[in-house]
Amino acid sequence: EPEVTQTPSHQVTQMGQEVILRCVPISNHLYFYWYRQILGQKVEFLVSFYNNEISEKSEIFDDQFSVERPDGSNFTLKIRSTKLEDSAMYFCASSYSWDRYLAKNIQYFGAGTRLSVL
Amino acid sequence: DQQVKQNSPSLSVQEGRISILNCDYTNSMFDYFLWYKKYPAEGPTFLISISSIKDKNEDGRFTVFLNKSAKHLSLHIVPSQPGDSAVYFCAASFAGGTSYGKLTFGQGTILTVHP
Repeated sequence: EPEVTQTPSHQVTQMGQEVILRCVPISNHLYFYWYRQILGQKVEFLVSFYNNEISEKSEIFDDQFSVERPDGSNFTLKIRSTKLEDSAMYFCASSYSWDRYLAKNIQYFGAGTRLSVL
Repeated sequence: DQQVKQNSPSLSVQEGRISILNCDYTNSMFDYFLWYKKYPAEGPTFLISISSIKDKNEDGRFTVFLNKSAKHLSLHIVPSQPGDSAVYFCAASFAGGTSYGKLTFGQGTILTVHP
């Protein structure tokens, strides 16, 4: 069964460093998302991406964050200068389409990257 | 952000019995609801969904009920199995504006099914 893959599974970085989290969405999917879950808290939406541009972003997704689909298969989340509060599990998700009346707007999630900022 | 709430942090059920997980929402614009299951060290796995034009959707042992007037949905698992033990998340999305299916999650409910 096709799946969303994320690398690395665990990333440790020093505060102020740049990190890039990588995701390979399901191959025929068109909509891509990043979410994060801080320990003990809810899964929170960060950003959605469609047709090579950001379609929606949350308040969390400030200028320190960026996303890219560099080569048609990978989808990356970059944090330019990490802060302690960026420590969280980051989930990538993808969906084939987005239409509330179709069954194909289900988002499929990767296993996540645990980011630890020291 | 309390737009989607799962008020029971945990639920314990005997194998073979029914598990009922509940979810409440406050935003009346939500029109598509999903349940995800999550095991430790894995991402959320899609279980079942329902559109606001329906009030029930079934898939095998899983049934989701939607009560729009009460802004409440529930997931029924019958019969419950030990392998169902996981964290269950309710999520909601809506059409409109520039929203492209962003999911808003509840806090999750830990389901434990005892043999």
